[in-house]
Amino acid sequence: KAGVTQTPRYLIKTRGQQVTLSCSPISGHRSVSWYQQTPGQGLQFLFEYFSETQRNKGNFPGRFSGRQFSNSRSEMNVSTLELGDSALYLCASSFGQGTTTQYFGPGTRLTVL
Amino acid sequence: AQSVTQLGSHVSVSEGALVLLRCNYSSSVPPYLFWYVQYPNQGLQLLLKYTTGATLVKGINGFEAEFKKSETSFHLTKPSAHMSDAAEYFCAVSDRGRSGGSNYKLTFGKGTLLTVNP
Repeated sequence: KAGVTQTPRYLIKTRGQQVTLSCSPISGHRSVSWYQQTPGQGLQFLFEYFSETQRNKGNFPGRFSGRQFSNSRSEMNVSTLELGDSALYLCASSFGQGTTTQYFGPGTRLTVL
Repeated sequence: AQSVTQLGSHVSVSEGALVLLRCNYSSSVPPYLFWYVQYPNQGLQLLLKYTTGATLVKGINGFEAEFKKSETSFHLTKPSAHMSDAAEYFCAVSDRGRSGGSNYKLTFGKGTLLTVNP
């Protein structure tokens, strides 16, 4: 069974731009969560989607948004990029009910210049 | 609110020595507990998890962890370190979920970088 895939793997943007990251979960998984990893703040939860609905949200500004499609694929968007948004963005998928185990993708490395 | 503390941001051991990575959590009720490993330029790989039942949990690559409710701890051990174990290790917790639902928000510790010396 294929794992979680994230595209693109690397991105370079400039301040003020916006960016969209994509995540394809493991087949059969309906929950997708997003995390931001930085050296200073560590791993922080952004949001979780289940069956196209945002079920949980972390403490991030409204510039960070996401959505989930009917095939469970998810995208996250960051608008008006700031230097501090440079990070590794990780996506994790799970069945979403019963088990809580999340399986992570390789991440998208975003650099904001 | 939940929190996770990993004692020691960097642990160094010799090949063949015992590996002990410490994790303590703070939660109003015992949470689900996880250990993940991250190799350079990669995502997180699940090593093991505790949800219910036996408090000593065995994972992949010879790792195990013991849930101690009285100490609010979930320390990770491996009897004999291998060079390939060098990586960063993260302890994480999640809620057991509200009635009728589930909480998939993981709260992570800051991580412990394990180096293995030949």
